[in-house]
Amino acid sequence: KAGVTQTPRYLIKTRGQQVTLSCSPISGHRSVSWYQQTPGQGLQFLFEYFSETQRNKGNFPGRFSGRQFSNSRSEMNVSTLELGDSALYLCASSLGDSWDEQFFGPGTRLTVL
Amino acid sequence: AQSVAQPEDQVNVAEGNPLTVKCTYSVSGNPYLFWYVQYPNRGLQFLLKYITGDNLVKGSYGFEAEFNKSQTSFHLKKPSALVSDSALYFCAVTPRRGGGADGLTFGKGTHLIIQP
Repeated sequence: KAGVTQTPRYLIKTRGQQVTLSCSPISGHRSVSWYQQTPGQGLQFLFEYFSETQRNKGNFPGRFSGRQFSNSRSEMNVSTLELGDSALYLCASSLGDSWDEQFFGPGTRLTVL
Repeated sequence: AQSVAQPEDQVNVAEGNPLTVKCTYSVSGNPYLFWYVQYPNRGLQFLLKYITGDNLVKGSYGFEAEFNKSQTSFHLKKPSALVSDSALYFCAVTPRRGGGADGLTFGKGTHLIIQP
């Protein structure tokens, strides 16, 4: 079974630009969650989508948004990039219940200059 | 809001010795608890989880963890460490409630270094 894939793996943007990251979950998984990983703040939950609906949201500004398609693939968008948005963005998929383990992709390394 | 504390940034253990990576949590109500491991240049991998039942749970690669409700702890253990166990370990919690994934709250991570 193929794992979670994320594209692109690396991205360099400048302040003020916007960026879209993509995540393809494991086949059969309907939940996709996004996390931001930085050396200072560690791993922080951004949001979770299930059956094309945002079901839960972490404490991030509205510049961070996402969506999920009917095939469970998900995209995350960050508008008006700031230097502090430089991070590893991880996507995870699961069957969708709180007790289900999440399967993580390799991440997208975003650098904002 | 829930939180996870991993009090040690780094744990050093000699190969063959037992290891413990500590984790304490705070959550409203009962928790679901998880351990994940992150190897260099690789994604996070699930190790084990506590849902209910037996307080000692066994997971991948010979790891186990003990849930202690009174101490709100979920320490990761292994009887005999291998050099290949060297990695970054994360404890995570999510509240137990009906339906929906609330998102995992992770600890800061503990670097486990196994010395030959």
